[in-house]
Amino acid sequence: DLQMTQSPSSLSASIGDRVTITCQTSKNVGNSLNWYQFKPGKAPKLLIHSASTLQSGVPSRFTGGGSGTDFTLTISSLQSEDFATYYCQQSSRSPLFSFGQGTKLDIK
Amino acid sequence: EVQLVESGGDFIQPGRSLRLSCAASGFTFADYAMSWFRQSPEKGLEWLGFIRRTRSGATTEYSASVEGRITMSRDDSKSVAYLQLNSLTTGDTGIYYCARAPKSIAISNYFDSWGRGVLVTVSS
Repeated sequence: DLQMTQSPSSLSASIGDRVTITCQTSKNVGNSLNWYQFKPGKAPKLLIHSASTLQSGVPSRFTGGGSGTDFTLTISSLQSEDFATYYCQQSSRSPLFSFGQGTKLDIK
Repeated sequence: EVQLVESGGDFIQPGRSLRLSCAASGFTFADYAMSWFRQSPEKGLEWLGFIRRTRSGATTEYSASVEGRITMSRDDSKSVAYLQLNSLTTGDTGIYYCARAPKSIAISNYFDSWGRGVLVTVSS
């Protein structure tokens, strides 16, 4: 089965910082990699699909990159509403729609 | 406004069955595939199943972790998706989410709207 490794598992940063989260897959998933934002009690939000396509309505400070086995999510200038937990998800190989372990981003 | 609202969560005894509903509004439900996910501290985020659009046969794909215990269905006339999970164990405890997918194929798909989730606790 495909394994997904997301790092870091937690991250402390300040408003205005640039942060990058990485997601590595054990097998080539092409560009079938998505990023989501989770906040407690709220509906999860799709940020990036197909590795680098910004979902409609998502601020342009979010950028996705990579292909194959190595992917990144970058937030160029952190805003207060960005403190959340972020997950990558692949949709290419079994087990289908598997997720990374998550990155909890909190305020330094 | 696109909205997905899960219902049916509660305390359930081991061995019993769970039936959740996902009520959709703000979009043409029949145009979308749907999935169910769950989240727990022990297992993280898990995909449970995927149901294609009715015009694609409403066929399903299930995670191996729940295969044999899960049934997903949909009623386009009511804009509702359903999840039934049988023979529950404490390991089925978690927050259950429904989400919509814009493509009817599973591969290379993504989930562009989610519900807030519903808590299911399996305990005696």
